[in-house]
Amino acid sequence: DIRMTQSPSTLSASIGDRVTITCRASQNISTWLAWYQQKPGKAPSLLIFKASTLESGVPSRLSGSGSGTEFTLTISNLQPDDFATYYCQQYSTYSRTFGQGTKVEVK
Amino acid sequence: EVRLVESGGALVQPGGSLGLSCAASGFAFKTYAMTWVRQAPGKGLEWVSTISGSGISKYYADSLKGRITISRDNSKNTLSLHLNSLKADDTALYYCARVRMGVYDACDVWGQGTMVTVSS
Repeated sequence: DIRMTQSPSTLSASIGDRVTITCRASQNISTWLAWYQQKPGKAPSLLIFKASTLESGVPSRLSGSGSGTEFTLTISNLQPDDFATYYCQQYSTYSRTFGQGTKVEVK
Repeated sequence: EVRLVESGGALVQPGGSLGLSCAASGFAFKTYAMTWVRQAPGKGLEWVSTISGSGISKYYADSLKGRITISRDNSKNTLSLHLNSLKADDTALYYCARVRMGVYDACDVWGQGTMVTVSS
């Protein structure tokens, strides 16, 4: 299985900050990567697919980049709605593994 | 409105079996691959299984292979997951999700989940 490693596990930030979450794959996955947001008690929600394509309705202050084995999710001008847990997921192989998650919390 | 509603979660004894269902509405169900993802209490997301729109191709997490079966009934717009030989580690919220395009893609629509608890 391809292992996905996110860093950091927890990120403390303030409204208006720019934050970056990193996701590393244990082998080349091209750009077959998605990012999801999950809030407590809710189902995950798709933010970005194919590493950098924003899902419809997702604010443009979110962006994704990367290819191969290293990827980033950047949130510019952090808003109250952005405090949540974020997961990356690779879908390069039949076994579509998730990262362990990054919690963005209030500083 | 595009909607997925899971059901079938329950408290089950170790070694038992359980069938989960996911009712889809608001989209052409048979044209989409579907996925199950689970989340143990306080833990991250774990991919479980994916099935193609036709139901012909099925993919399972290695850790669960042999104990789970995914299926679908396109005439009833329903996705199913059967779990056997349940263990405490299978305790989780089980989500069904729609695969955005093809079989290998992100999941763009999620249900609210159904809870499976394995305990004596």
